[in-house]
Amino acid sequence: SAVISQKPSRDICQRGTSLTIQCQVDSQVTMMFWYRQQPGQSLTLIATANQGSEATYESGFVIDKFPISRPNLTFSTLTVSNMSPEDSSIYLCSVEDWVRVGRGADTQYFGPGTRLTVL
Amino acid sequence: GQQVMQIPQYQHVQEGEDFTTYCNSSTTLSNIQWYKQRPGGHPVFLIQLVKSGEVKKQKRLTFQFGEAKKNSSLHITATQTTDVGTYFCAPGAGKSTFGDGTTLTVKP
Repeated sequence: SAVISQKPSRDICQRGTSLTIQCQVDSQVTMMFWYRQQPGQSLTLIATANQGSEATYESGFVIDKFPISRPNLTFSTLTVSNMSPEDSSIYLCSVEDWVRVGRGADTQYFGPGTRLTVL
Repeated sequence: GQQVMQIPQYQHVQEGEDFTTYCNSSTTLSNIQWYKQRPGGHPVFLIQLVKSGEVKKQKRLTFQFGEAKKNSSLHITATQTTDVGTYFCAPGAGKSTFGDGTTLTVKP
């Protein structure tokens, strides 16, 4: 399985500032995903990041607010811009890893997450 | 993405009791995955089901995929305190949908 690290693990930020979260994978992967998980809630996909192309954002998320970089096959960043207290959440990156089960299928491995608090 | 409904939202059991969580979809799923998230942790992949009627076991955990591939269940036999956490189902087609999760607490 892929080993994923995220930096920072947590941060407390002031309203109006921006934070860039880094995600590093120990192997080359095609697709990387960024999720948000608010306390006690499920995971919400923010965007999919493919190397060499623009990230694909889910409904309700825009590039100006959550710019994403994917400079190579092992690294991605997510920036939370112009933060407000509503952005307080855990941000998780994940990668897809093909596992040959039956007809073949995809599984996800998640990073440890970045716990963001916006004051 | 495909929508799934997961029930119950919470389940509190006495250690040694069984536990089941259900994941239901209104559409046919290509496959379904189950994840476990311990308190304060991140989701960890448990298993993937692909075939209609498939049943897979991992020690005390039994995973089932319905014949119509519209529902799935996770059953834990004789729960232990190490089973606490939130269990999520997720359709494999696309990454945008996770169930709301079932949070299991176990009383020693």
